[in-house]
Amino acid sequence: GAVVSQHPSRVICKSGTSVKIECRSLDFQATTMFWYRQFPKKSLMLMATSNEGSKATYEQGVEKDKFLINHASLTLSTLTVTSAHPEDSSFYICSARQTETEQFFGPGTRLTVL
Amino acid sequence: GQNIDQPTEMTATEGAIVQINCTYQTSGFNGLFWYQQHAGEAPTFLSYNVLDGLEEKGRFSSFLSRSKGYSYLLLKELQMKDSASYLCAVMDSNYQLIWGAGTKLIIKP
Repeated sequence: GAVVSQHPSRVICKSGTSVKIECRSLDFQATTMFWYRQFPKKSLMLMATSNEGSKATYEQGVEKDKFLINHASLTLSTLTVTSAHPEDSSFYICSARQTETEQFFGPGTRLTVL
Repeated sequence: GQNIDQPTEMTATEGAIVQINCTYQTSGFNGLFWYQQHAGEAPTFLSYNVLDGLEEKGRFSSFLSRSKGYSYLLLKELQMKDSASYLCAVMDSNYQLIWGAGTKLIIKP
């Protein structure tokens, strides 16, 4: 299957700082990428849908000023957690859509906010 | 509303067979997916069903009945490495994935 990379894989930061997570589709172009959050022992929670060249669509309850998404090219989307707090600590996973029914996941980023 | 139901946890014995069920109610249907997720890792794709019937892929098979809103994932000849969470997801009319909470499968020797 297609490959999606995510960087960094782990990040530890101090409360109040901002953290940027990159999601790249390595061998295909993705007009749509998705950002998920997952708490321990819970299922994936869709945060937002990122479309190349336009504003992201956020799910209900997700603060768009808190979680900034930029889909600058057909192979790169970034999620910036602004002014991070301990409650933002989580596993963040991106996925990239290759076709309408094919979606490939990045390896995830473990964020720990102290 | 949209809803995906699957058991929270199941236990099975190495070498045996286990069936993980998933029922769904969604606005539209463009296919049902099963993913495997090991702890601390991202999900990996296992199967995709859009038509009724059984899809077999090695030790894993997936079944779909659209009229019943029902699917199952069948794992044969269980191995210890199959211990993971198994996520059922349905693609709705907007081609968005609706996720179940996942079934944690514990394999015992």
